[in-house]
Amino acid sequence: GQNIDQPTEMTATEGAIVQINCTYQTSGFNGLFWYQQHAGEAPTFLSYNVLDGLEEKGRFSSFLSRSKGYSYLLLKELQMKDSASYLCAVMDSNYQLIWGAGTKLIIKP
Amino acid sequence: DVKVTQSSRYLVKRTGEKVFLECVQDMDHENMFWYRQDPGLGLRLIYFSYDVKMKEKGDIPEGYSVSREKKERFSLILESASTNQTSMYLCASSSGTGAVGELFFGEGSRLTVL
Repeated sequence: GQNIDQPTEMTATEGAIVQINCTYQTSGFNGLFWYQQHAGEAPTFLSYNVLDGLEEKGRFSSFLSRSKGYSYLLLKELQMKDSASYLCAVMDSNYQLIWGAGTKLIIKP
Repeated sequence: DVKVTQSSRYLVKRTGEKVFLECVQDMDHENMFWYRQDPGLGLRLIYFSYDVKMKEKGDIPEGYSVSREKKERFSLILESASTNQTSMYLCASSSGTGAVGELFFGEGSRLTVL
């Protein structure tokens, strides 16, 4: 079967760095996506990785290793507004998105 | 600013009622999707559509139907609501080109079936 695993919840301190991991087993691979979802709001797109390596976008970076079926989202200089759920999703061989359950990130002052 | 609008943020219905959830996007996107989001589970695809009057079943279509009569509008219908359909329903759209999979989501419709 197809499976996306990510931690249920993480806590970090304002100003620090946090890494949210995502491992996947899917039928084929056509890219990995990260979305951010604040409580009660719509998910919004953060990043897309299809090749191995690190993609940096401001305070957020996303890494992919296709051989290991592994990705992480790195958030630097954490701010209170980064408190949200972070959703990992993989596009399979049929170009369908398989979603993880999301990681709730709690930022403490 | 791009927008996906869902008709109702909160609904309370009784078992057996027919429920309509409407979704409209203003980005001229070809693709539209209906997901449900439940605690502890990833988003689950109910139905999707790649064109007007076209629909495809997702992973959990049972108990649902959809309608896409116009490009900008995608409706989800629960013919006879049941308590296990209590959930958050998310509509999304995407362009047929570019980074396929970059979805634009609506704010969600939280449905409670009593």
